[in-house]
Amino acid sequence: EAGVAQSPRYKIIEKRQSVAFWCNPISGHATLYWYQQILGQGPKLLIQFQNNGVVDDSQLPKDRFSAERLKGVDSTLKIQPAKLEDSAVYLCASSSGTGAYNSPLHFGNGTRLTVT
Amino acid sequence: DAKTTQPNSMESNEEEPVHLPCNHSTISGTDYIHWYRQLPSQGPEYVIHGLTSNVNNRMASLAIAEDRKSSTLILHRATLRDAAVYYCILRSNTNAGKSTFGDGTTLTVKP
Repeated sequence: EAGVAQSPRYKIIEKRQSVAFWCNPISGHATLYWYQQILGQGPKLLIQFQNNGVVDDSQLPKDRFSAERLKGVDSTLKIQPAKLEDSAVYLCASSSGTGAYNSPLHFGNGTRLTVT
Repeated sequence: DAKTTQPNSMESNEEEPVHLPCNHSTISGTDYIHWYRQLPSQGPEYVIHGLTSNVNNRMASLAIAEDRKSSTLILHRATLRDAAVYYCILRSNTNAGKSTFGDGTTLTVKP
């Protein structure tokens, strides 16, 4: 099966600019996650979707970050305006579980964002 | 959500077994124990998961303590390609499977 696809692979922007990341999960996976991974740390969950509804966005900085998953398939994560501390790798993951959360997470290779 | 504790780093010699520990003393009855590993410039990769019984797959074995408050990922013969950061997390049927990643264990494999 095809894995989780993310684009772009790298992005460099100046602070106060906006940026968007795209994710296409594994076909049929109902649950989609966006994580932020700062260098040297583990991934931190930003937002979790089940189909096209938000399950958890408690750690999403909503003043500058937004995400959507139209039609319950692919998703976009946007930052506007970006700050220096947003420099990180943004990982998208999907899983097949809807009621059973023992199913594995499948990650994309992420987008590395550098804010200058 | 329950948290896990892992050593920051471990070293192993090539072709020797590696035992990577994880403590999860606040685990609940519905939490599954998952292990992932992350190679440089890649996203985390699923390794194995279990609930109560020990589990084996082609990549590794998972040994779960009887009280489920700790677990051990076992790589039977480490290779240089196993050098990675290993994460132990809990996923639950409650709280929509919300999982918290710690900073993991960086495994170094020496030739």
